[in-house]
Amino acid sequence: DGGITQSPKYLFRKEGQNVTLSCEQNLNHDAMYWYRQDPGQGLRLIYYSQIVNDFQKGDIAEGYSVSREKKESFPLTVTSAQKNPTAFYLCASSPWGRNTEAFFGQGTRLTVV
Amino acid sequence: AQTVTQSQPEMSVQEAETVTLSCTYDTSESDYYLFWYKQPPSRQMILVIRQEAYKQQNATENRFSVNFQKAAKSFSLKISDSQLGDAAMYFCAYGDYGGATNKLIFGTGTLLAVQP
Repeated sequence: DGGITQSPKYLFRKEGQNVTLSCEQNLNHDAMYWYRQDPGQGLRLIYYSQIVNDFQKGDIAEGYSVSREKKESFPLTVTSAQKNPTAFYLCASSPWGRNTEAFFGQGTRLTVV
Repeated sequence: AQTVTQSQPEMSVQEAETVTLSCTYDTSESDYYLFWYKQPPSRQMILVIRQEAYKQQNATENRFSVNFQKAAKSFSLKISDSQLGDAAMYFCAYGDYGGATNKLIFGTGTLLAVQP
């Protein structure tokens, strides 16, 4: 079945460690996105990519990094520079163009311990 | 920059009744898209309905409809005959497709409770 898969569902990180969240899609979508969700703040855009080997910073990119080496994959690394990484992270993909519905993964809950 | 505002953090409705969720946005563009997404307790985001700014007719999807007021930059969601399964967080989103951009800007959400 076509879809977008995030792994793991739950992730625990010690302070000072980098951690990478996986996002894979088999929908043949050009665009992929990472959002962070915190209570009362909705979804905030971290990074997005419109094509392989290219990506742009969103509104809250500090402390995060991404890569887009393959069309299907858009991993997010939460670095030790991210001051408050505990949050729910959502990955999405969409075809390029207007009126395009974004399809979301089921999310990763990251907790710093 | 475009912004999306949802002024109702929480709403409650009786089963079978109608409820309206509010959303306002700010943009200088004339052509854009607006969306309502639902996030149930499973946290899976689901598209409920979409509206193109150039279309004057309000979009409808079964029990869900919108009231799109372009001049007022308002985009409310009406849920008719509310069901227990409608209980969820609802997010309003603006489609930013200007230039080389292709992204969604979300509001802070409205948590809808449905009372039996």
